[in-house]
Amino acid sequence: DVKVTQSSRYLVKRTGEKVFLECVQDMDHENMFWYRQDPGLGLRLIYFSYDVKMKEKGDIPEGYSVSREKKERFSLILESASTNQTSMYLCASSISGTHSGGNTIYFGEGSWLTVV
Amino acid sequence: AQSVTQPDIHITVSEGASLELRCNYSYGATPYLFWYVQSPGQGLQLLLKYFSGDTLVQGIKGFEAEFKRSQSSFNLRKPSVHWSDAAEYFCAVGRYSSASKIIFGSGTRLSIRP
Repeated sequence: DVKVTQSSRYLVKRTGEKVFLECVQDMDHENMFWYRQDPGLGLRLIYFSYDVKMKEKGDIPEGYSVSREKKERFSLILESASTNQTSMYLCASSISGTHSGGNTIYFGEGSWLTVV
Repeated sequence: AQSVTQPDIHITVSEGASLELRCNYSYGATPYLFWYVQSPGQGLQLLLKYFSGDTLVQGIKGFEAEFKRSQSSFNLRKPSVHWSDAAEYFCAVGRYSSASKIIFGSGTRLSIRP
């Protein structure tokens, strides 16, 4: 069965801390995503990676960075956490290819981050 | 660029009643269209998707959706809802070869009245 695993479900961090959110997929997918989910705003793409060490900024990349050193792992980094980054973060993956815009995206269960 | 609108923030229906969740999109060409469901505290799961061909698409859990090009709509339907259908539903629109360009709507929360 397809699996995207986010290592931390609930985190509480202090303002200014560096935060790492880790994600692993076991489907050998080329594409991986980090989304932020806020009430009334749906899902907004933070960063997208289409291959190892390759990344693309999404709609809201400010205050975030990412790392993809291995195909199965995609990390989201908050260099200096702020209270406005309190949110639910969703990692996802999908297969690449000609019709990649139409491929199913598989999601992890999410990481709830609270910055105090 | 494409966009997607889900006009209903929250809908409550009685168990056993029919359901229709609305989704309108904006895109110059034929889009890829999706419905995802998110149960409380969980990630999103694909219900169904439309690429081309038959405009009535069947999905999992008894859901279906109909693509209407003239109305730029892709509404989700279910003839009889169950209490376990209570969740948040997201419509999404994508385009040909750009996985990073999939846009999600703001979601519709579905509550079920016993």
